[in-house]
Amino acid sequence: GDSVTQMEGPVTLSEEAFLTINCTYTATGYPSLFWYVQYPGEGLQLLLKATKADDKGSNKGFEATYRKETTSFHLEKGSVQVSDSAVYFCALTSNRDDKIIFGKGTRLHILP
Amino acid sequence: GAGVSQSPSNKVTEKGKDVELRCDPISGHTALYWYRQSLGQGLEFLIYFQGNSAPDKSGLPSDRFSAERTGGSVSTLTIQRTQQEDSAVYLCASRRSGANTGELFFGEGSRLTVL
Repeated sequence: GDSVTQMEGPVTLSEEAFLTINCTYTATGYPSLFWYVQYPGEGLQLLLKATKADDKGSNKGFEATYRKETTSFHLEKGSVQVSDSAVYFCALTSNRDDKIIFGKGTRLHILP
Repeated sequence: GAGVSQSPSNKVTEKGKDVELRCDPISGHTALYWYRQSLGQGLEFLIYFQGNSAPDKSGLPSDRFSAERTGGSVSTLTIQRTQQEDSAVYLCASRRSGANTGELFFGEGSRLTVL
């Protein structure tokens, strides 16, 4: 079945460092890909998405590019802030059904 | 309401008791999902409702788990004869109908602790 694999955390970085959180997927057909974020004490919310190959999703300085050839959707940010500390989830939804599959999440700690 | 509402926010119960968790989705959202979030396990899909179609129950971990959705709106997740391994945060999410945009709107969850 469809699945999402993302790097295990926690990831600890200093403020202004470059961030990459890896995500790869397995799916039949042409899934849409997402990153969700869960800030401390808050519910999950959509961060960005890409619905077809080579699309780039971006929001709040974060970017991720849908790479069909490597089945990846890595999350990047050029300069992280303390306020980016959260848990990040990579997810996919196939066009076969409406089930949305999440990775296990990556906890990010940004040190001032 | 403006967002997805879940109740109770916290529930402590004894092993063997039944619990009911409630989800009130965003008005007009026809798709409703239940997930379970356990430490180190990420988000585990449980069940999915879409309109009047039969629900996708493929993620329910055992027959102790069931869910229903009345009138296409409020949903209740029931766990019978709770076990300690059922302790987790149960998340509900809803999505509008139409194109498969994938954007889910999540509630803040119901934290279940089974003693």
